Amino acid sequence: EDQVTQSPEALRLQEGESSSLNCSYTVSGLRGLFWYRQDPGKGPEFLFTLYSAGEEKEKERLKATLTKKESFLHITAPKPEDSATYLCAPTDDKVIFGPGTSLSVIP
Amino acid sequence: EAQVTQNPRYLITVTGKKLTVTCSQNMNHEYMSWYRQDPGLGLRQIYYSMNVEVTDKGDVPEGYKVSRKEKRNFPLILESPSPNQTSLYFCASSPYPVRGEDGYTFGSGTRLTVV
Repeated sequence: EDQVTQSPEALRLQEGESSSLNCSYTVSGLRGLFWYRQDPGKGPEFLFTLYSAGEEKEKERLKATLTKKESFLHITAPKPEDSATYLCAPTDDKVIFGPGTSLSVIP
Repeated sequence: EAQVTQNPRYLITVTGKKLTVTCSQNMNHEYMSWYRQDPGLGLRQIYYSMNVEVTDKGDVPEGYKVSRKEKRNFPLILESPSPNQTSLYFCASSPYPVRGEDGYTFGSGTRLTVV
């Protein structure tokens, strides 16, 4: 059965304190992996698509990487406006959303 | 502006009273989908549509109906709502169902409470 987990469930960082979020998945025939950001009460907002192991993508303070079993979202020198829930979503013939990591960045 | 529009944003209703949540996209996307989001359970797919007149069940379709008569619209229908359908609902669209550089575009959500 396809599964996706994310850790930690919640993360609290001081402004400027870099860290990483983990997405672990068991999906046969991975066709891609999405990362989304979701603000409270709003719809998820697309960040990245990764297609193959070894691939990396960056956007401002965020960098996403992909291995055969995991994806990481690295956050460098975060700011309070980076506070949100981050969702990963591996795909085979359907998109499977993880439960998310709730990130709080404290000024 | 490219967007997915859901209405209403908030809805409180009583058990058994039929309701429809509308979803419209202006990006000419082929694929549209409905999700519900509940604490601790994440986003779960209710129904999806690959194109006009083509719909299929997702992971949690019980108690819901959909239709896709036009490419831009994908309404979600609850024929007889029950309290366990209280949730946050999202409509999403994409050019493709599982790949694409732009991922899914989500609506702003509909918070439904069934009492």
